Amino acid sequence: EERLWESGGDLVQPGGSLRLSCRPSDFPFNTYAWSWVRQSPGKGLEWVSAISATGEKTYYSDSAQGRFTVSRDNSKNSLYLQMDRLRDEDTAFYYCTNLGSHGAFDTWGQGTLVTVSS
Amino acid sequence: SYELTQPPSVSVSPGQTARITCSGDALPSHYSYWYQRRPGQAPVVVIYKDNKRPPGIPERFSGSSSGTTVTLTISGVQAEDEADYYCQSSDHSGSLPWVFGGGTRLTVL
Repeated sequence: EERLWESGGDLVQPGGSLRLSCRPSDFPFNTYAWSWVRQSPGKGLEWVSAISATGEKTYYSDSAQGRFTVSRDNSKNSLYLQMDRLRDEDTAFYYCTNLGSHGAFDTWGQGTLVTVSS
Repeated sequence: SYELTQPPSVSVSPGQTARITCSGDALPSHYSYWYQRRPGQAPVVVIYKDNKRPPGIPERFSGSSSGTTVTLTISGVQAEDEADYYCQSSDHSGSLPWVFGGGTRLTVL
């Protein structure tokens, strides 16, 4: 069964950094583009970042641009999100999800919680 | 920045039809997708490319589009349909290649 495992969430002070990881199991990782989507407490889903299947193209939301860096290591079947200069409003569950053949976000992990607070 | 607008909540009785709308200027140019999210569970695609239903999704779920508005229709709503529903689309001409609507809480009375 295809599963996604996110890790790296933690409590961090404003201005700090975190690196999130996502490692799918039983999943053809290399064939998909991947995204990070977050959900803050009491709010809806928010797309954060995406990376193409080869890693050549990356995309960011306005709030992530310049602070977050998405990357992937196809040899390790792993997706990453480096988050720097974190703000209170970055507090959220972060999910990795793949872009399926129909263009939808097909498979989702259970998320990893990032809490930014002093 | 580009936004997709959904009503915060929709309430219907079992057996009735629920319609959830999503509005956005770029919707005529890009496919729309709908996700169901039950509490504590991962989102599930219920409609893709405006009106296609993935395998395993009940026929009572359907999608339609008209101009700058797309609609998720759930016919004969069941208690198990109570969830948050999110529309999603793209705006590759802008700064948000992918965008979600704010979500609609469907309550089955």
